[in-house]
Amino acid sequence: GQQVMQIPQYQHVQEGEDFTTYCNSSTTLSNIQWYKQRPGGHPVFLIQLVKSGEVKKQKRLTFQFGEAKKNSSLHITATQTTDVGTYFCAASGGSNYKLTFGKGTLLTVNP
Amino acid sequence: NAGVTQTPKFRVLKTGQSMTLLCAQDMNHEYMYWYRQDPGMGLRLIHYSVGEGTTAKGEVPDGYNVSRLKKQNFLLGLESAAPSQTSVYFCASQSHGYYEQYFGPGTRLTVT
Repeated sequence: GQQVMQIPQYQHVQEGEDFTTYCNSSTTLSNIQWYKQRPGGHPVFLIQLVKSGEVKKQKRLTFQFGEAKKNSSLHITATQTTDVGTYFCAASGGSNYKLTFGKGTLLTVNP
Repeated sequence: NAGVTQTPKFRVLKTGQSMTLLCAQDMNHEYMYWYRQDPGMGLRLIHYSVGEGTTAKGEVPDGYNVSRLKKQNFLLGLESAAPSQTSVYFCASQSHGYYEQYFGPGTRLTVT
């Protein structure tokens, strides 16, 4: 089945530093989604990428989908303590209703 | 508009006991899902449903059963709980034609 590998597993940064998490697949993805889960909370949808080479921005967050649609990244500029949580990528292969989640990257921010 | 709700929030079971987790959504979504989340393992799909009266197996279905008798409800059953089923369980729903999944607050289950 569909597999997505996410790295790193953990990242600790000082507030104000940048952060990037990467998601890779051995197969071509039809789309990729990113979710954020705050400690003790539930996953919350952030964004979806569909097109090859797509780049989307949400304030300090930049999301990219690779040209070959096999990888994606989430970059946070100038992290804040509110960015703390686990970031998951999730991909659907052929269907638009079944997702495979990466194992997530836990981001901690030192104020 | 409550979104996705899950009952109960916490539960402790002894090995061999059974229980049912209830998920309800008020968004008229067609698709519903049950995931389990374990440390370092991300979210793994247990079972899912693409419509009322239909269910299908996900990545880790063994030891679980599900039912979707009403569109708004998706039940997850454990017939004979095992310590390996200690986990946080999340329900999610999704509207047909859209990609975003909406998650419930989770149920923390401990099996001793």
